[in-house]
Amino acid sequence: KAGVTQTPRYLIKTRGQQVTLSCSPISGHRSVSWYQQTPGQGLQFLFEYFSETQRNKGNFPGRFSGRQFSNSRSEMNVSTLELGDSALYLCASSSPIINEQFFGPGTRLTVL
Amino acid sequence: AQSVTQPDIHITVSEGASLELRCNYSYGATPYLFWYVQSPGQGLQLLLKYFSGDTLVQGIKGFEAEFKRSQSSFNLRKPSVHWSDAAEYFCAVDTDTGGFKTIFGAGTRLFVKA
Repeated sequence: KAGVTQTPRYLIKTRGQQVTLSCSPISGHRSVSWYQQTPGQGLQFLFEYFSETQRNKGNFPGRFSGRQFSNSRSEMNVSTLELGDSALYLCASSSPIINEQFFGPGTRLTVL
Repeated sequence: AQSVTQPDIHITVSEGASLELRCNYSYGATPYLFWYVQSPGQGLQLLLKYFSGDTLVQGIKGFEAEFKRSQSSFNLRKPSVHWSDAAEYFCAVDTDTGGFKTIFGAGTRLFVKA
C-alpha cells in the first residue's frame, strides 16, 4: 500500500504570496491532519479533516486554511505569507479503525 | 490545557548502552499517548502507543514505554541502542473525543557514540 504523499516536497515563496500544499492519504483513510514544524515552536497541530469536514482545529490565524475532497485528498492554503511561515508542513492520514496516524515526508516551505 | 514536556533537549549514549527518554504530560482525562521518531529530512514514524490496558507497551525497533498515571509520565526505553537509532524522538498526547489534534513535546535529539 502506498504511503502518504505530499507535493511539492520543497517550495520557495516570497512574503505576501499565497501557497497551496497537497496531501494524498493512504488508500481507504478518510482522516487527514496537518501539522507545522519549526525549530522555534516545534510540531503544532493545524487542523484535521474527516469526510470533507473540518473536525478539529488548532490555534492558527485565519490565513491558514484547508479543505478535503471527496477522494480524501487534502489541500492546505496559506495566504499572505510571512517569514515566520517558513516550516516543514506535515500531513498525516488515519483510519478510524486503527486510531493511528501515518505521516508523509512533509513539504519544506521557505518564505523569503 | 494539554501539554507534553520532554525535559531533555538532547541525549548522547554509547552504542550498546541502554536508553531512557523522559516524557511528562498534562491532561485531565485518560490520554492517548504516543512516541514518534523522526530521522533528518523525514516524516514521523510511530514507535508505539498507549490507549488503555497494560501500562507497559511494546513497540517497533525494540522500544518499549511505560505509562505511570501517578507520575503523569510515559518514558521510552530501549535496552541496547544501535547507531541507527540516532534521530529525534517526540512524545505526544491526544484526546479520546473524536479525531486527532495531537499535542507534541519539543523532542529529544538522540546521539549515539560508537
